[in-house]
Amino acid sequence: QVQLVQSGAEVKKPGASVRVSCKASGYTFTGYFIHWVRQVPGQGLEWMGWINPNSGGTNYAQRFQGRVTMTRDTSISTTYMELNSLTSDDTAVYYCARSPMGQRNDYWGQGTLVTVS
Amino acid sequence: EIVLTQSPGTLSLSPGERATLSCRASQSITNNYLAWYQQKPGQAPRLLIYAASSRATGIPDRFTGSGSGTDFTLTISRLEPEDFAVYFCQQYGNSPRTFGQGTKLEIK
Repeated sequence: QVQLVQSGAEVKKPGASVRVSCKASGYTFTGYFIHWVRQVPGQGLEWMGWINPNSGGTNYAQRFQGRVTMTRDTSISTTYMELNSLTSDDTAVYYCARSPMGQRNDYWGQGTLVTVS
Repeated sequence: EIVLTQSPGTLSLSPGERATLSCRASQSITNNYLAWYQQKPGQAPRLLIYAASSRATGIPDRFTGSGSGTDFTLTISRLEPEDFAVYFCQQYGNSPRTFGQGTKLEIK
């Protein structure tokens, strides 16, 4: 079955960087995009961008441009999201989510809580 | 970017009743690429409906999506206890993808 398993919770200081991983299984890794979405506790969902695991191509939301980097390692079916220059406003649960190209997000990871304090 | 406005913010109903949730877009959504997700506390969102009216795999037929252009609706025909959760709409027809702010469906 399709699974996206994310790395564990992180606590970071302001100004630091965080890298969250998302390991895929149960499907052809290079056949689906991986999106990253974050959610401040108790609030809504915010789309951050996507990576095409086949080509490595990326598309970032404008508000994260220059601060986020999404990469992948096809040998271990894993994508990474790195966010730099953290502030307390970045405290959130970060999700990875799969999509066929240009389509809905059909499977989601369990989420990774990043606390900036 | 497309702004999605969900209403109501909170909906209080009893099991067995019918729920109607609304999602309105600030401009027409390309290809009616509008999805609905259910989220329970401590869990990731779960895809219910995509392309406005297609039910995702394993979703019961009491969940129905409808609408086009800028106005979309999620209807839950007869509420089960497990349906009480927060529901988000998302448009993925235009970049950036955007979400509504959510509707909390609570037990009356």
